[in-house]
Order: sequence, then C-alpha cells, then structure tokens
Amino acid sequence: KAGVTQTPRYLIKTRGQQVTLSCSPISGHRSVSWYQQTPGQGLQFLFEYFSETQRNKGNFPGRFSGRQFSNSRSEMNVSTLELGDSALYLCASSPDPAKNIQYFGAGTRLSVL
Amino acid sequence: AQSVSQHNHHVILSEAASLELGCNYSYGGTVNLFWYVQYPGQHLQLLLKYFSGDPLVKGIKGFEAEFIKSKFSFNLRKPSVQWSDTAEYFCAVNAGRDDKIIFGKGTRLHILP
Repeated sequence: KAGVTQTPRYLIKTRGQQVTLSCSPISGHRSVSWYQQTPGQGLQFLFEYFSETQRNKGNFPGRFSGRQFSNSRSEMNVSTLELGDSALYLCASSPDPAKNIQYFGAGTRLSVL
Repeated sequence: AQSVSQHNHHVILSEAASLELGCNYSYGGTVNLFWYVQYPGQHLQLLLKYFSGDPLVKGIKGFEAEFIKSKFSFNLRKPSVQWSDTAEYFCAVNAGRDDKIIFGKGTRLHILP
C-alpha cells in the first residue's frame, strides 16, 4: 500500500505569491489533516478534511485555505505569502477521524524569499 | 484552550540509560493520547497511543507510556535506550468536541554510542 504522498517536496516562492500544495492520502483513508512544522513553533494544526468537508480548523489566518476532492486527495493553498510562512507542511491521513491514528507524508518544504 | 507541554526540549543520554520524556496536557475531559517519533530523515510515525482501558500502554521498539489522569500526564519511558532511538519525539492529544489533535513542540533525543 502506498503511503501518504505530498507534492512537491520542495518549493521556493517570493513574498506576495500564492502556492498550492497537494496531498494524496493512503488508499481508503478519507480523513486528511494539514500541519505546519517550524523549529520555533513545532507542529501546528492547520485544518482537517473528511469526506470533502472541513471538520476542524486551527488558528491560522484566512490566507491559508484547503479543500478535499471526492477521491480524498487534498490541496492546501496559501495566498499572499509572507516570510514567516516558510516551513515544512505536513499532511496526514487517517482511516477514521474518530480514532485519529494518523499516517504522515514526507512533507513539502516551502521557502519564502 | 487545550495545550500540550513537553518539558524537555533536548535530552542527551548514553546507551543503556533509562529514558523518561514528560508530557502534560490541559483538558479536563476525555482524551486520546499519542506519542509520535521522527527519526532523522524519516516521516513522523506513531509510537503508541492511548484511547481507553489499561493506562500503561506498550508501543513499538520497547517504548511504553503511562496515562495518569490526576496529573494530566502521559510520559514516555524506555528502560534501556539504544543509539537507534536518536530521534525527535512528539506528544499529541486529541480532546474536546472538535477532535483537533494538538501536538507538543517535541523533544530531541540524542543517544551517545
């Protein structure tokens, strides 16, 4: 079974641009969560999707948005990038949001210049 | 607001030493508790979890954790560490009606050969 796949692995953008990150969950998993990982703040929850609906949202500004498609693949979008958005963005999938055993992807490392 | 505290940011031990990593959370209701591990260059992966039942939970690679409800703690232990245990360890809590998972900031464990 393939694991959680995140694309691209690395991304370099400049301030003010927007970016879209993609996550393909493990086959059969319908819950996808996104996290931002930085050295200073650790892992911070962004949002969770289940069956194309956003179930939960963390404390991030509206520039951060996401969506989930009918095949459970998810995308995360960040608009008007700021230097502080530089981070590793992790996606995790789960077969059952009630149990919340999460399987993580390798992440997308975003650098904002 | 819910929070998770990992008091040790960086721990250095010699092989065969005993390990205990602290994790405290703030939430008064029912919780699900997790420890995740990230080995150098690898994905985050689940080490062990507690949902209910026996508060002493056994995980992979000889790790265990004890849920002490009165202390709001879920400390991770291993009686004798190995060099291969060098990694970053994250405690996480899933609590409340909104089912968000909150991660601690992580503890970097470095085992000296």
